[in-house]
Amino acid sequence: EVQLVESGGGLVQPGRSLKLSCLASGFTFSNYGMNWIRQAPGKGLEWVASISSSSSYIYYADTVKGRFTISRDNAKNTLYLQMTSLRSEDTALYYCARHHTMGFDYWGQGVMVTVSS
Amino acid sequence: DVVLTQTPVSLSVTLGDQASISCRSSQSLEYSDGYTYLEWYLQKPGQSPQLLIYEVSNRFSGVPDRFIGSGSGTDFTLKISRVEPEDLGVYYCFQATHDPMYTFGAGTKLELK
Repeated sequence: EVQLVESGGGLVQPGRSLKLSCLASGFTFSNYGMNWIRQAPGKGLEWVASISSSSSYIYYADTVKGRFTISRDNAKNTLYLQMTSLRSEDTALYYCARHHTMGFDYWGQGVMVTVSS
Repeated sequence: DVVLTQTPVSLSVTLGDQASISCRSSQSLEYSDGYTYLEWYLQKPGQSPQLLIYEVSNRFSGVPDRFIGSGSGTDFTLKISRVEPEDLGVYYCFQATHDPMYTFGAGTKLELK
């Protein structure tokens, strides 16, 4: 069974940093691109970042470019999102999602990040 | 950037009715390889989103055939032929044609009348 389990969220002050993790199981992690997608409270979905299976291709939304870094460790089956210079508008539920040619076919349950003083 | 405009914002239906959701793109979503990377997702209350439709009209594994995606270019539609209780939630269209700037529509909430 495919599982994606996010961790590392919490309450953080504006300007500080936080690192999210997503532990994958039930599939060959190194064969798939992975993404972070977020959802602010009561709002819609926003794609944040993507990374190809071998980390050769990495892309970011303009809203996080230069502040967030997506990475992965295929030996540990883990996806990461390093978030720096956090702003109140980064407050959201962060999902990791597996990317298949058909789309985002599996999603985690999400991890909450709250940026507030 | 590509903007996806979904209408209506909310849709009230009676169980068994047909529901139709529109997704219009600010640019054509046909990729140079001839495919159109327009997807539909459903987020049920309190749950993570789930993939329904990929490449405009292909149902993902396990998705009932009452979900029908159609369209081309800049205009796309998701129809639910006979709404059932488990279909309620927020529907999002998503484009992966204009990578790397992927975008979601703002969502359409399907609720009971």
